[in-house]
Amino acid sequence: GAGVSQSPSNKVTEKGKDVELRCDPISGHTALYWYRQSLGQGLEFLIYFQGNSAPDKSGLPSDRFSAERTGGSVSTLTIQRTQQEDSAVYLCASSLYPGTGGKEAFFGQGTRLTVV
Amino acid sequence: QKEVEQNSGPLSVPEGAIASLNCTYSDRGSQSFFWYRQYSGKSPELIMSIYSNGDKEDGRFTAQLNKASQYVSLLIRDSQPSDSATYLCAVPDLNQAGTALIFGKGTTLSVSS
Repeated sequence: GAGVSQSPSNKVTEKGKDVELRCDPISGHTALYWYRQSLGQGLEFLIYFQGNSAPDKSGLPSDRFSAERTGGSVSTLTIQRTQQEDSAVYLCASSLYPGTGGKEAFFGQGTRLTVV
Repeated sequence: QKEVEQNSGPLSVPEGAIASLNCTYSDRGSQSFFWYRQYSGKSPELIMSIYSNGDKEDGRFTAQLNKASQYVSLLIRDSQPSDSATYLCAVPDLNQAGTALIFGKGTTLSVSS
């Protein structure tokens, strides 16, 4: 696609429910990132994929969070048993190459998650 | 955890002035640096990338890199009210098997007309 696409754009869920957030990166981009941004805060790095592999999952806030990427393309971020502190904008970005060059990352419009 | 530090601001400048935004990073081995602009309620947008020491100019924007001092800055000339946004500095984290992009907390710029 022309840009990074995320869905849904907004999600309101009840505490304790599971949610799945989707990211469709720019075609051909091998690297994909998930970030979280709480109101008025900076970008919190969650996880990074190179192809279908996530080298380091230590950025995920808790074991309720998981992410996968298939076919080197679409990625899903799943939050189980959502809590109110999970409320934030979840941003996905992709970049062409994983190395020190070609690292420009382009963001999707984000998914605003509200846990009530 | 590698660190990217920015003054949170707000930085207030009058229209037409030069706005100077600064960023320091902890990993001396970093090779690439990025500036993103984020309007309120919107996603970050890439505005500048710089890989070599010195200055890189793009329109009203100039990125300056000093690897010895581990310092990267963004200058905005002839600042406009439309430049009012949060500016995020980003540096790849070289510790990971791949490379994740680590962001500073951002500097909020306010340009008054």
